[in-house]
Amino acid sequence: QQQVKQSPQSLIVQKGGISIINCAYENTAFDYFPWYQQFPGKGPALLIAIRPDVSEKKEGRFTISFNKSAKQFSLHIMDSQPGDSATYFCAASKGGATNKLIFGTGTLLAVQP
Amino acid sequence: KAGVTQTPRYLIKTRGQQVTLSCSPISGHRSVSWYQQTPGQGLQFLFEYFSETQRNKGNFPGRFSGRQFSNSRSEMNVSTLELGDSALYLCASSPGQGEKAFFGQGTRLTVV
Repeated sequence: QQQVKQSPQSLIVQKGGISIINCAYENTAFDYFPWYQQFPGKGPALLIAIRPDVSEKKEGRFTISFNKSAKQFSLHIMDSQPGDSATYFCAASKGGATNKLIFGTGTLLAVQP
Repeated sequence: KAGVTQTPRYLIKTRGQQVTLSCSPISGHRSVSWYQQTPGQGLQFLFEYFSETQRNKGNFPGRFSGRQFSNSRSEMNVSTLELGDSALYLCASSPGQGEKAFFGQGTRLTVV
């Protein structure tokens, strides 16, 4: 049973545009929602994370929007750059006494110059 | 501060063999988790260790095992390798439980 659904599977954005990736979760016990960026041949790198007590978190060009009632969260990349071209994964965790992450299926982002 | 170090980076094994992968977490981090990444199944949780104790285990067969040492370094072992075990195996370290996880570059295992 897939507990975190991610869309779209792939995304093409023009340089300077906004990239938006969406995730939905099922388990209401999740209370930690990170986003990871992965380049080919590398491990995932933590980008930004949010907990359900806030609806939005911004770090530089990256923003997470969180809708607890809809059980959805999304990543917005403002002013997208070719260097942002990578695979992005959302994840969810119950936090507390575990670091176990349930990952979405990933979104391959291509930013065209 | 050095990041998460996984060794070896690449490994080729024959079906039926066993393999041991190593992970050195970030200094001071006490929690280590392992994940398997494949094109078909994505990133799947294998197991989690904290202070030498397995705290969580994913839905993998018993051929997959792991352990953590007193210095927080961790190893995972896969016995009786199958072709389907070919994957990128990732280790993530965290300062404690319920905290941010930082990944290593992974070990690319190919089973032939």
